[in-house]
Amino acid sequence: EIVLTQSPATLSLSPGERATLSCRASQSVSSYLAWYQQKPGQAPRLLIYDASNRATGIPARFSGSGSGTDFTLTISSLEPEDFAVYYCQQRSNWPPKVYTFGQGTKLEIK
Amino acid sequence: QVQLQESGPGLVKPSQTLSLTCTVSGGSISSGSYYWSWIRQPAGKGLEWIGRIYTSGSTNYNPSLKSRVTISVDTSKNQFSLKLSSVTAADTAVYYCAKCTLTHDAFDIWGQGTMVTVSS
Repeated sequence: EIVLTQSPATLSLSPGERATLSCRASQSVSSYLAWYQQKPGQAPRLLIYDASNRATGIPARFSGSGSGTDFTLTISSLEPEDFAVYYCQQRSNWPPKVYTFGQGTKLEIK
Repeated sequence: QVQLQESGPGLVKPSQTLSLTCTVSGGSISSGSYYWSWIRQPAGKGLEWIGRIYTSGSTNYNPSLKSRVTISVDTSKNQFSLKLSSVTAADTAVYYCAKCTLTHDAFDIWGQGTMVTVSS
């Protein structure tokens, strides 16, 4: 089973700053990597799919990069509504095709 | 715009079977381009994928839950369902249904989630 490790566990920043979140896979996942944002009491929202493609309606300040085992989600200039928990998710390349999530990074206001 | 809504009991006794249904609106569950999944999240913890079904009826399950999980689809009602047997307190969580695109394997539409507590 592929394990996704996110770092840091908590990131404390101020509005307007740049946020860089990391997700590392225990084996290559090619580009099958997605990022989600979750706010308290809400379902997760898809931000990025296939490592670098923004989902519909996602602001341009969100960007994703990476391939293989190392991935990054960057928020170029934090808005107040961006403070939330972020998860990465992968789909294994071989049977059984299963999905796993990282443990999450909490982005909090400094 | 497709929307998903979970429904089912909020309280299940230990050793019994948890049963939830996800109703799809705004589109047909029979569209050939999507998988339909269940995902859960214990309070204060991360997300765990439970399993998925394609409209043909083919399924994939999380190996850690496979022996207890059954996901089925009812295209006539535009619904898919989850059954999780022999539940324990560890199965207490918010359960989400979600739509996953075949081409990108990302969950682009989620239900609001339903809290299920396992307790006597």
